[in-house]
Amino acid sequence: AQTVTQSQPEMSVQEAETVTLSCTYDTSESNYYLFWYKQPPSRQMILVIRQEAYKQQNATENRFSVNFQKAAKSFSLKISDSQLGDTAMYFCAFIPGGTSYGKLTFGQGTILTVHP
Amino acid sequence: DTEVTQTPKHLVMGMTNKKSLKCEQHMGHRAMYWYKQKAKKPPELMFVYSYEKLSINESVPSRFSPECPNSSLLNLHLHALQPEDSALYLCASSQDVEGYTFGSGTRLTVV
Repeated sequence: AQTVTQSQPEMSVQEAETVTLSCTYDTSESNYYLFWYKQPPSRQMILVIRQEAYKQQNATENRFSVNFQKAAKSFSLKISDSQLGDTAMYFCAFIPGGTSYGKLTFGQGTILTVHP
Repeated sequence: DTEVTQTPKHLVMGMTNKKSLKCEQHMGHRAMYWYKQKAKKPPELMFVYSYEKLSINESVPSRFSPECPNSSLLNLHLHALQPEDSALYLCASSQDVEGYTFGSGTRLTVV
């Protein structure tokens, strides 16, 4: 069984600053995918960034980047130049590879507030 | 079309009512999912359909009945719900495990 742990229930940051959200996971799988999802008050779960476990290079999407440490089973999200629209609940999620569908395992989430 | 559309957005129902939630996608995704989410908690998987067949049922009570009439449509039929079933119900679809697309959910209140 897989577990995903987000140890920061809430975080806050000033607009334009950088913030890092932590995530650790536990699995015996060798092939898997990791995700960060954002859920603003509008409720829709939005994919922020995806990392494939077999890729050494850390994924980057504009202001969002990850620090993927496979040996340490760590997958943190860095948000640069924070914007008010980044205020949301952020979920780290895991899914094993090798199948065409599967169960996303979510962490407990981190509520991020960006202050003006 | 890269969206998953859920209707209705809000639903209030009595414990003796029968209602249905609807989810639609036109991305050609072959897997569709129902998740239940309580406030400030992560989504919990309820059901997975793959190629229109029920593949995963996470021991969900029978008062929730999923249906997949075709590859684009997923329904969740509700009957004799309890107040503790009040939650946000999210639908998602995927073509493979590399990425899921979620709808914006139905906020259900059972009175």
